[in-house]
Amino acid sequence: LAKTTQPISMDSYEGQEVNITCSHNNIATNDYITWYQQFPSQGPRFIIQGYKTKVTNEVASLFIPADRKSSTLSLPRVSLSDTAVYYCLVGISGTYKYIFGTGTRLKVLA
Amino acid sequence: NAGVMQNPRHLVRRRGQEARLRCSPMKGHSHVYWYRQLPEEGLKFMVYLQKENIIDESGMPKERFSAEFPKEGPSILRIQQVVRGDSAAYFCASSPTGTSGYNEQFFGPGTRLTVL
Repeated sequence: LAKTTQPISMDSYEGQEVNITCSHNNIATNDYITWYQQFPSQGPRFIIQGYKTKVTNEVASLFIPADRKSSTLSLPRVSLSDTAVYYCLVGISGTYKYIFGTGTRLKVLA
Repeated sequence: NAGVMQNPRHLVRRRGQEARLRCSPMKGHSHVYWYRQLPEEGLKFMVYLQKENIIDESGMPKERFSAEFPKEGPSILRIQQVVRGDSAAYFCASSPTGTSGYNEQFFGPGTRLTVL
């Protein structure tokens, strides 16, 4: 099973770029990397998903190096409303299970 | 297009009672997943269902917990004879397909179960 390791918490200031790195040393060939965001008392919300190199959408970018043993979620110019827990997940190839770790608690300060 | 619906949002039960949690997946989604989240922890997979079938219940406790997803109606997670340790947030997610790889799961708002 591909476990993930993320920093427990991070602080940032409004307007800064935030990069959260996730390690997944045992990622399998067909596994995708997915990031979710969770606000208190809410269900997780999909942010971005990728397989290799770089993926960008309207809210974030995901950088995946060639060896795929890590990935970095990049949030440009964060605001106070980006304060949340961010989970890095690896989809287990051939199944549908996501393993959620404890995530990274991002706190954005004014 | 309404998202994943869960009800009730909050449920209080006394020890020994039954808890029934309901989940209506997004329109067009036939794959449902249940997760449990304890305070300050990540979500733990419990069970994966398709219409009328349990595909994987490897994350479900062997006793007191059951799940169904009938042909008509919502998916139900049932907890019999609840104990204080069952207090948690229970999230339901749905997806249009069950394959791994590129598979976004859409989560509901959760049901917060409190056992007194």
